[in-house]
Order: sequence, then C-alpha cells, then structure tokens
Amino acid sequence: GENVEQHPSTLSVQEGDSAVIKCTYSDSASNYFPWYKQELGKRPQLIIDIRSNVGEKKDQRIAVTLNKTAKHFSLHITETQPEDSAVYFCAASRGFGKFYFGSGTKLNVKP
Amino acid sequence: DSGVTQTPKHLITATGQRVTLRCSPRSGDLSVYWYQQSLDQGLQFLIQYYNGEERAKGNILERFSAQQFPDLHSELNLSSLELGDSALYFCASSGGEGNQPQHFGDGTRLSIL
Repeated sequence: GENVEQHPSTLSVQEGDSAVIKCTYSDSASNYFPWYKQELGKRPQLIIDIRSNVGEKKDQRIAVTLNKTAKHFSLHITETQPEDSAVYFCAASRGFGKFYFGSGTKLNVKP
Repeated sequence: DSGVTQTPKHLITATGQRVTLRCSPRSGDLSVYWYQQSLDQGLQFLIQYYNGEERAKGNILERFSAQQFPDLHSELNLSSLELGDSALYFCASSGGEGNQPQHFGDGTRLSIL
C-alpha cells in the first residue's frame, strides 16, 4: 500500500517568516493530495489540495507544489501568523476512498 | 461547523465492552470515512462507505465493524475493547466516491479504563 512520509515533525518559525512542510509518497498512482490543519483538540480542516495534473496551487498565503517524478509535495505558508500554529497533515490518495496520511508537523509560530 | 455530526463526544468504558459511534454526514454527501487518531499520532484510515456500500478498507481490526444506513448516517462498532483502543475517532464525509475534499466531524473521544 501507499506510504506517506512527512517532514519535519516539528517546525518553529518567527512570525512573518515562511514555513515549508514536505511529504513524499510511494505509490506512483496516487493522484490527489490534500493538506489538513488540526488545532489542538479540534477536527482536521482542509486548507488546500492539489491533483496530479497540476504542479502548483495557491490560496492567499498558502501554496502547495507537486513533483510527480520525485513523488513529493510540499506546503508553503508565507508571512506566518500566530494563528497558523497547529499540526499540519498531508495525505495522498489514488482514488477508491483510501487516504494515507503523513504523521503530522507541529508548527509553532512565535510572535 | 463542518456539517458532519458525531455522537457521542466522549465515551468512557471498560475493557471487553462494546460501543457504537454514530456519524451523520453533511447534507448531500454520499461518502463516509472513519479514522482513528491515537494520542499525538496521525490519522489512520479505517473504512469508507459510499451510498450504503463498503468501498475501501484500511487498517481496521476484525473487532471493529461499520455500516452506512439508507439515510446515509453511519455507525462504527467497536467490540472486545482493549486499552489500546483509546483514541479519538473521526468521521468525515464527501460528496463523491473518490478523490473529493473530506469534511471532518468533531470526533468521539473514547477512553478505555
């Protein structure tokens, strides 16, 4: 089955700096890659997703890039704010319902 | 509010017992997914249903079972509970069968004493 690895496990940045979280996947047939943000004690919330026919997608301060050849995708957050502090999960799916999640990155934005 | 409703919010029980977790998907969503999240861990995919039928299975134990009813709500049954089953169980729903954004409920926190 699919294996999704996520790095780093923790990331501490100064407010206003950029943050980058990287994920690699093993199944070349995976074609959908969502990112979720989970605040402490709350449900995961979708923040951005990308499909395999697209190399990059942006939504305000958040962007995701996908390299199908290398089988990795990354989340970029610019101009970080304290409210960006949370755990971020990447996921990969080839369809048919199975989603494989990374182990999560705890982002701490210091004011 | 995601529109996905999970009950109960908290459940405390003992080893060897059986519990049922309930999930109502967002209005119009046909797919329901179940996930297990242990303390400080990632999300483990358990099972997916689409319009009443099982569509995908993850690392779901044989002691666990699920179903989706004609009104599209779903139940996750956990039996012969062990201490290691203590976790946060999330339900998510999406409109389609495959690669669609999932919307998560607030979860059921299960504590086994």
